[in-house]
Amino acid sequence: NAGVTQTPKFQVLKTGQSMTLQCAQDMNHNSMYWYRQDPGMGLRLIYYSASEGTTDKGEVPNGYNVSRLNKREFSLRLESAAPSQTSVYFCASSVPLAGGHEQYFGPGTRLTVT
Amino acid sequence: GESVGLHLPTLSVQEGDNSIINCAYSNSASDYFIWYKQESGKGPQFIIDIRSNMDKRQGQRVTVLLNKTVKHLSLQIAATQPGDSAVYFCAETKRQGGKLIFGQGTELSVKP
Repeated sequence: NAGVTQTPKFQVLKTGQSMTLQCAQDMNHNSMYWYRQDPGMGLRLIYYSASEGTTDKGEVPNGYNVSRLNKREFSLRLESAAPSQTSVYFCASSVPLAGGHEQYFGPGTRLTVT
Repeated sequence: GESVGLHLPTLSVQEGDNSIINCAYSNSASDYFIWYKQESGKGPQFIIDIRSNMDKRQGQRVTVLLNKTVKHLSLQIAATQPGDSAVYFCAETKRQGGKLIFGQGTELSVKP
């Protein structure tokens, strides 16, 4: 199993450009998540999808949209990129455990907006 | 708002010593606590978890302690090795939803 895969690994955008970050998992997990990680900080939840067909906002959703295309794939779109969106983006998926969730993370996408 | 935070941003230990990484949390409703390890250039990797009805849980060379009275979580790594060098994050989640709230992280550096 490849686990959680993300594309692209690196991306540079100009302010106002749009792009979609792709994420896929092959572990048959129901839940998927998008986080951003800024230097010296922990991860902050952007959006999550508890199951196929549902999406919900996390802590920092402004400026982003998501699509849960099917059970395997969860994409993150920046419609009009801003320098404040320069960050490392991680996708994760999880299998519910009793009382909590262990999440499996992808390798990340490093995005720079100039 | 509710938050999970760490006391020490950096920790440097000698190879073979034991390491203790601390975390304070403020959400008393959290039911489940997790430690993640993040190596440079990689995504976080699950280490160990503990439920709120437990005080201690042991894994391979790692132990997590939970003190609900003072809302404190710690990760102990026995016989620390160079491969343990990474940033360690604590995270909490409530019973429903599974959304994780991450702390700032502690960078562990192991000196040979």
